[in-house]
Amino acid sequence: KAGVTQTPRYLIKTRGQQVTLSCSPISGHRSVSWYQQTPGQGLQFLFEYFSETQRNKGNFPGRFSGRQFSNSRSEMNVSTLELGDSALYLCASSPQAGGVEQFFGPGTRLTVL
Amino acid sequence: QQQVKQSPQSLIVQKGGISIINCAYENTAFDYFPWYQQFPGKGPALLIAIRPDVSEKKEGRFTISFNKSAKQFSLHIMDSQPGDSATYFCAAEGGGYQKVTFGTGTKLQVIP
Repeated sequence: KAGVTQTPRYLIKTRGQQVTLSCSPISGHRSVSWYQQTPGQGLQFLFEYFSETQRNKGNFPGRFSGRQFSNSRSEMNVSTLELGDSALYLCASSPQAGGVEQFFGPGTRLTVL
Repeated sequence: QQQVKQSPQSLIVQKGGISIINCAYENTAFDYFPWYQQFPGKGPALLIAIRPDVSEKKEGRFTISFNKSAKQFSLHIMDSQPGDSATYFCAAEGGGYQKVTFGTGTKLQVIP
């Protein structure tokens, strides 16, 4: 089975721009979660989607949003980018909602200049 | 109350030695405690996990010890190998709005 894939792997944007990141979960997995990883804050939960519905949301501003499509693929959008948004954005999939075993993708490295 | 505190931040161990990483949590509603291993350029991968109804779980060279009353759990890597050099994250799940709360990570280096 193919693992979780994320595109693009690297991205450079400037302040004020917006960005969309994509995640394709493992085939058959319907839950997709997003995390932000930075050296200072570690791994922080952004949100979880299951069957195209947001189930859980972390403590991030409204500039961070996401969605899930009927094929379970998910996108994450960050609007009005700030320098502090520079991070590794990780996507993880699980077979079911609230699934405790998560499989992570390699991440998208976002740099905001 | 959602925090998970992890120590040490970094660890250097001789090949063949025991690596020990500790975590403490506050929210007693947490009911699942996984450990993840992350190599540079890769996403975290689930290593081993435990639920609070057991005090210890062993998988190969990796053991989780769990102390429910102290709200602490630890990862022990026996016979540490250079290939174990990675960043290790503890985590806790359940009991709230968040999917999972991660510790801040421990960078382990195993030297030959």
